[in-house]
Amino acid sequence: EIVLTQSPATLSLSPGERATLSCRASQSVSSYLAWYQQKPGQAPRLLIYDASNRATGIPARFSGSGSGTDFTLTISSLEPEDFAVYYCQQRSNWPPQWTFGQGTKVEIK
Amino acid sequence: EVQLVESGGVVVQPGGSLRLSCAASGFTFDDYAMHWVRQAPGKGLEWVSLISWDGGSTYYADSVKGRFTISRDNSKNSLYLQMNSLRAEDTALYYCAKDISSGSYYKGYFDYWGQGTLVTVSS
Repeated sequence: EIVLTQSPATLSLSPGERATLSCRASQSVSSYLAWYQQKPGQAPRLLIYDASNRATGIPARFSGSGSGTDFTLTISSLEPEDFAVYYCQQRSNWPPQWTFGQGTKVEIK
Repeated sequence: EVQLVESGGVVVQPGGSLRLSCAASGFTFDDYAMHWVRQAPGKGLEWVSLISWDGGSTYYADSVKGRFTISRDNSKNSLYLQMNSLRAEDTALYYCAKDISSGSYYKGYFDYWGQGTLVTVSS
């Protein structure tokens, strides 16, 4: 099983600040990594896929980078609606045993 | 507008069975692979199962293999998850989710999700 480890567990920031979230894979997943945002009581929302492609309708302040085992989600300037939990997910292995990270909570400082 | 509406979640005893349903609308259902993803209360996300656009290929997480069966009825725009031999650790909110890519190539990313249906396994 490919284990995804996200850090930090919690990120305390103020609106307007830059957020940098990390996701590390236990083995290479090439660029087959996505990021999701989940707010309380809501389903997850796809933000980024294939490490760096923004999903439809996602604002440009969200960007993804990385390949292999180390990935980053950057939110360039936090808006009030960005405070949420963020998950990374890999779809590298076949047959699929696709996995998610444990999540990073971005909270208001 | 894409909509996915799950149903069928209830409280069930360990060892019991349950069938979840997901009604899809707003897109050409039989063009896309579909998935089930679950989330235990207060926990993270776990991919559960994938079915191809035509139902001809199915895949499962090791944690549910041999106990769960995914299926679809394209004439009814519906996705299903038959859950047998349920365990306490299967307690979760079950989401159906649409694959981002159409056709026979599964991208393995989930661009639309339902609101989930809660399955509780408890005596």
